[in-house]
Amino acid sequence: SQQGEEDPQALSIQEGENATMNCSYKTSINNLQWYRQNSGRGLVHLILIRSNEREKHSGRLRVTLDTSKKSSSLLITASRAADTASYFCVRSSSGTYKYIFGTGTRLKVLA
Amino acid sequence: EAQVTQNPRYLITVTGKKLTVTCSQNMNHEYMSWYRQDPGLGLRQIYYSMNVEVTDKGDVPEGYKVSRKEKRNFPLILESPSPNQTSLYFCASRGSGTDTQYFGPGTRLTVL
Repeated sequence: SQQGEEDPQALSIQEGENATMNCSYKTSINNLQWYRQNSGRGLVHLILIRSNEREKHSGRLRVTLDTSKKSSSLLITASRAADTASYFCVRSSSGTYKYIFGTGTRLKVLA
Repeated sequence: EAQVTQNPRYLITVTGKKLTVTCSQNMNHEYMSWYRQDPGLGLRQIYYSMNVEVTDKGDVPEGYKVSRKEKRNFPLILESPSPNQTSLYFCASRGSGTDTQYFGPGTRLTVL
């Protein structure tokens, strides 16, 4: 399968803790994005990291990318109940118009 | 408000009855795409369109058709739906020069 793999599949943490989810892929990428989906609704873009970048921050989000290991991680710091959602990594390759989604991590933040 | 709209949001139909799910965006985006989401499989790309009259297959195009006659609309057509097309469908769009996609609210399709 071309799909990226994410782990863990599900994660449950207490409010205020950090949440880390990982994404691995098999082919070279142009960039990698993370999206959030609340309970069967449409996806919302969170952050994009390019293949020549190693780390990127946006508010409480920190994304890292290791192209040698073909993996990325998303860290959400000081999590809130409102962060409860599914998180997907999405990759694209240069020269194509296709997007490959990971299988997602279901995050539950307990108040 | 910038948005992607899909209709209908929910649809229950029977095997073989042709249906169309509409998608429209008001952001003047060149690129539009359809995805299906199934439990444990994430989202898989069905078809995409780079611009008017330019479409191409994604990873799971079998059983689907699309058309792009206008920039804002990208309907998904199931000419003879089958139960294995029961799924949650998302339309998305993005502008040129960016990979950030904007997603519609989803269409939950059940084929009996």
